[in-house]
Amino acid sequence: GAGVSQSPRYKVAKRGQDVALRCDPISGHVSLFWYQQALGQGPEFLTYFQNEAQLDKSGLPSDRFFAERPEGSVSTLKIQRTQQEDSAVYLCASSLGQGAGNTIYFGEGSWLTVV
Amino acid sequence: GNSVTQMEGPVTLSEEAFLTINCTYTATGYPSLFWYVQYPGEGLQLLLKATKADDKGSNKGFEATYRKETTSFHLEKGSVQVSDSAVYFCALRGQTGANNLFFGTGTRLTVIP
Repeated sequence: GAGVSQSPRYKVAKRGQDVALRCDPISGHVSLFWYQQALGQGPEFLTYFQNEAQLDKSGLPSDRFFAERPEGSVSTLKIQRTQQEDSAVYLCASSLGQGAGNTIYFGEGSWLTVV
Repeated sequence: GNSVTQMEGPVTLSEEAFLTINCTYTATGYPSLFWYVQYPGEGLQLLLKATKADDKGSNKGFEATYRKETTSFHLEKGSVQVSDSAVYFCALRGQTGANNLFFGTGTRLTVIP
């Protein structure tokens, strides 16, 4: 498609449930990012892929968070044993290249509510 | 390290008023600077960018100039419209590592008729 596509758009999970969030980046984009945006805050970096390689996962808040991009295209962010503090919008973004001048394009986000 | 400090909101203006949203940054090297906008119920959209000192980014009547001497990238618009009501985020992308974006906390703008 023309833009970054994320699914599901909305997810309500019971505390302790596992969730999986999917991202389809713009075709041909090498770089893929996941961000977490809490209500009223700016997005916070979670992890970064260059093709299929996860080069930076320093922003993942705990070992309950796991991301993969096995074929260098679609990516999945998995959250195990969800907690209420995981409630946020999870944004996927992609970029054609790694250079600082390359624009990063965002999807509309997956809104996760943990009850 | 990299960080962005953005003017706190919310900001409420009357239609056709002049807008300034301040943004300053801290970075190593020569980052690129961006303004993203988030309209109600929508995702983040790139508004404008500047990749080197003294560059001016502009789009939809908005503009911002990359000022290395003051480490600033203030957003301005001469005459706002109701349709400009949104949350505005200043961001930088560094030259090293993952080149991920560092965002400010966002400024909510409401324009009233």
